Parts: sequence; structure tokens; C-alpha cells
Amino acid sequence: AQSVTQLDSQVPVFEEAPVELRCNYSSSVSVYLFWYVQYPNQGLQLLLKYLSGSTLVKGINGFEAEFNKSQTSFHLRKPSVHISDTAEYFCAVSAKGGYNKLIFGAGTRLAVHP
Amino acid sequence: GAGVSQSPSNKVTEKGKDVELRCDPISGHTALYWYRQRLGQGLEFLIYFQGNSAPDKSGLPSDRFSAERTGESVSTLTIQRTQQEDSAVYLCASSSMGGTGELFFGEGSRLTVL
Repeated sequence: AQSVTQLDSQVPVFEEAPVELRCNYSSSVSVYLFWYVQYPNQGLQLLLKYLSGSTLVKGINGFEAEFNKSQTSFHLRKPSVHISDTAEYFCAVSAKGGYNKLIFGAGTRLAVHP
Repeated sequence: GAGVSQSPSNKVTEKGKDVELRCDPISGHTALYWYRQRLGQGLEFLIYFQGNSAPDKSGLPSDRFSAERTGESVSTLTIQRTQQEDSAVYLCASSSMGGTGELFFGEGSRLTVL
């Protein structure tokens, strides 16, 4: 089975500052990794995903994440945040091979202040 | 339709009543998921449908919960004899692939059990 731990429940940051949202996972098999974002009163949408290949993955809105197999991490980063990035961010994992359901972390609330 | 559609968007019910939540996936998507999101928590997997295969019901929390899907179209999640702990946002997602692909989420059905 897989599990996901998002180490910070809330991250406050000032506008234009860099941010890192941390995600660690546990799995006995190879995995696919995802970051989803949920803006206030909206559904979730995919930010980026790692399936294979380059460990640095770029997503929408200037976000990127790096897969680190040895540390079983998939931290999300952005060099300069905007007020509009205020949202809930979810890390998710699924096992490779065939159908495997997506397991989500508890989420990190990013609050960007002016 | 253009996206995943869920109804009702809000439902307030009395303890002990039955409720039915509906999900209309993106046309052509063979996979359909139901998740539950309690206040301030991550997404809890409930059930997964993939084409005509037997559904993965491993996440349903009790026998009061059931779900159906007709072919590759609409799904209904039914909660019988609702309890206050059933209060949550119920999210539906669909995908053209299972596990490795992007999940497209609806905006959810917010259930409040008084």
C-alpha cells in the first residue's frame, strides 16, 4: 500500500517570496506522483505529475517539483509566488502498473500575503 | 459536457435520512472515482469504476454507503441512514486512464447532516 505525508498543514508566505511545499511518500513498489491544487470553492486540478524520466517536473503557473527516490520525496516549489497562488495543495501517489487508485495527502494550505 | 458535473452542490439533511449524490463524468472517460473530503482533511478514496470491470469498493466506510454506475456514464453515490460524521464534501473525478493519467474533478457535493 502507498501513503503520503505532507509535512506542513499551513504555509504562510509573502508575495514574490519563494515557497516549498513538502511531500514524502511511502511505497514498496515504484510509483507515479502528482500535485493537485484546489482554489477556494473550486474543484481540484492537476498542477504536475511525475511518471518517469527526468526527475524535475515543470507544471502550470510556474510550479515545479523534484522526484527524489532515495529520500522518497516530491517537494513542490515556486521561485516567486503571487496572491493568486493562495489555495490548498495536495500531493498524491499511485503504484505503477495497471489500475491503482490515487492516494492523497492531507493537503497544505498556502496563504500568500501582500 | 465540458467537465465533471456533480449534483446537488449542497445538501442539508437530517440524521437518519437517505441521500443520493450524482456524478456526470466527462464523455468518453472510462474511469470514475468517488472521494470524500472532511473539513480540513485530505481526500479519502471511496470507490472506483473502470469500464465494465467490477468496481473497487475498498474505500467505502460502511455498508450504509453504496455506489452505482451505468456503463461509462452517470454514477450515483447513496448514503443510507445518514450520520453526522457523514458530513463532508463528496468529490467525483473521471479519467481516460486509470492510475497514471490525470483525474478531472467535479466541484463536489457538500453534505451536511444535522
